[in-house]
Amino acid sequence: AQSVTQPDIHITVSEGASLELRCNYSYGATPYLFWYVQSPGQGLQLLLKYFSGDTLVQGIKGFEAEFKRSQSSFNLRKPSVHWSDAAEYFCAVVLTGRNNAGNMLTFGGGTRLMVKP
Amino acid sequence: EAGVAQSPRYKIIEKRQSVAFWCNPISGHATLYWYQQILGQGPKLLIQFQNNGVVDDSQLPKDRFSAERLKGVDSTLKIQPAKLEDSAVYLCASSLDRGQSAFFGQGTRLTVV
Repeated sequence: AQSVTQPDIHITVSEGASLELRCNYSYGATPYLFWYVQSPGQGLQLLLKYFSGDTLVQGIKGFEAEFKRSQSSFNLRKPSVHWSDAAEYFCAVVLTGRNNAGNMLTFGGGTRLMVKP
Repeated sequence: EAGVAQSPRYKIIEKRQSVAFWCNPISGHATLYWYQQILGQGPKLLIQFQNNGVVDDSQLPKDRFSAERLKGVDSTLKIQPAKLEDSAVYLCASSLDRGQSAFFGQGTRLTVV
């Protein structure tokens, strides 16, 4: 079964500092990869996605993520964090391939980002 | 473009009562998902529809949960009877097709007392 791991439950950074949120997945097939953000009381908003091609993808709000097949990782980065970035971030994966007709979107447990002034 | 609409936003019921949630996906989206998000956890897929057919419902507690998408558009999720552990946010999402980017509604927060 596919699984998605976000090793950091909480992360605190200072405003203006850089950010990296980790995401690892565990299966050998070619994945589709996503990052979502959830602000308090809100639904999930798609930040960026990777399907194929360039392994460094740009998203909204100044976020980017890099797919590294050798490390089974898809870490989210931002060069300079703003106070409004405080939220919960979820990595998600879709297993593709002929034997995976469902193409289910599976989420990690999330990382809560807090931003210090 | 209108997003995914869900109602109600909030619901409080007593245990053993029944409850229903409604979802209207983005127009033209063939795939519809229902997720359960317990406080402090990531969303867990309950059921996935492709048009009006069920693609996966392996994590749906079928003794008490049911869902339907009769005309391949709107969907309802029902819990009967509810248990305390069903307290969660129920998220509906839709995508153009399987494996494509999913767009989420704001969710229904259910509290079972």
